[in-house]
Amino acid sequence: DGGITQSPKYLFRKEGQNVTLSCEQNLNHDAMYWYRQDPGQGLRLIYYSQIVNDFQKGDIAEGYSVSREKKESFPLTVTSAQKNPTAFYLCASSLIAGDNEQFFGPGTRLTVL
Amino acid sequence: GQQLNQSPQSMFIQEGEDVSMNCTSSSIFNTWLWYKQDPGEGPVLLIALYKAGELTSNGRLTAQFGITRKDSFLNISASIPSDVGIYFCAGQLTKTSYDKVIFGPGTSLSVIP
Repeated sequence: DGGITQSPKYLFRKEGQNVTLSCEQNLNHDAMYWYRQDPGQGLRLIYYSQIVNDFQKGDIAEGYSVSREKKESFPLTVTSAQKNPTAFYLCASSLIAGDNEQFFGPGTRLTVL
Repeated sequence: GQQLNQSPQSMFIQEGEDVSMNCTSSSIFNTWLWYKQDPGEGPVLLIALYKAGELTSNGRLTAQFGITRKDSFLNISASIPSDVGIYFCAGQLTKTSYDKVIFGPGTSLSVIP
């Protein structure tokens, strides 16, 4: 079955710790995206990658970092510099950059204590 | 930057009722998308619209691309309990990597059996 997986589903961390969220896709998509979702708000773009070894900042990149060493994988690190990291994080992919039909993973809910 | 507004913000309806929601923008888009997010999951694409005035159906769902290109509408007929979730509209100006997909804040739908 082709799709996007995110792990873990729920993650708890202490304040001041960095944490890495996993995102893997086997759809052979070039482009991948990370969004943050807060209650009552739309999806806000953190980072996106058009192709392997390339990534660009989105609208709210401060306090986050990413890497794209493999086509299938686009991990997101939430650093201690992120002021309000508790949120629902969604990873998505599309066939090519700019393709508006994005496929989303199931999300990771991060809670920082 | 570009922003989308969705109304209503939330709605509670009886099973079997029809539902209407809309999405508006201060700027034009050439693509409108409607996604549904089940509780605790990632959004799933329902309908994509690519032409002003276009009316597209997907089962009990019907969406329209407004002729001004600044709005879109989603209707759900004969609602059922599994229609519960958050409905997001999204727009994109051009299908290139330079124009990101912009998501609205969502309409939360609750269906009372």
